[in-house]
Amino acid sequence: DTAVSQTPKYLVTQMGNDKSIKCEQNLGHDTMYWYKQDSKKFLKIMFSYNNKELIINETVPNRFSPKSPDKAHLNLHINSLELGDSAVYFCASSHSGRATDTQYFGPGTRLTVL
Amino acid sequence: GDSVTQMEGPVTLSEEACLTINCTYTATGYPSLFWYVQYPGEGLQLLLKATKADDKGSNKGFEATYRKETTSFHLEKGSVQVSDSAVYFCALIRSNDYKLSFGAGTTVTVRA
Repeated sequence: DTAVSQTPKYLVTQMGNDKSIKCEQNLGHDTMYWYKQDSKKFLKIMFSYNNKELIINETVPNRFSPKSPDKAHLNLHINSLELGDSAVYFCASSHSGRATDTQYFGPGTRLTVL
Repeated sequence: GDSVTQMEGPVTLSEEACLTINCTYTATGYPSLFWYVQYPGEGLQLLLKATKADDKGSNKGFEATYRKETTSFHLEKGSVQVSDSAVYFCALIRSNDYKLSFGAGTTVTVRA
């Protein structure tokens, strides 16, 4: 069983479109995250939810809106896609968000905006 | 703010060579330190971690020791294999925080 899964794995779309990426974890964790990895492999946190509550919201354009319908899911919706949004987006989860917890990552969603 | 600086790559080695990837950090308090590995086309996997000073993390022949005095967490392996070819990320998380701060990643290629 996949611990942290994301769909889709690849997403190719036109500028200006709206798209969503879904994430699910079956680890029973309380905390979930979205990270963005750019073309140079640099990783940066975007959002974090703990028990469905937003706890981290880094400097991310408000075109990006996370939604957590329950503890096992954290989806990412992106409005009015721009070329600079092209990246690999990783979902992750951890038991409680404590510093000593390991974060488990999904396989990533490669978004290409044309 | 928090930051992680790791040795720039790419690094190319022959099989059975020794690997060291340097990592130093800047953070307040006592962060937890991690090494994550990303194999080609895959997501990140935890390689090892250390949560307090002088702890040594180890896994798959890799080791790293949390050195508070030098604010370092260097990754070492005595004899690499082709299957170790990947991107390695050093990361930290502060004790009162939720987010991982990553280094820029070091691409390692091991040739047979």
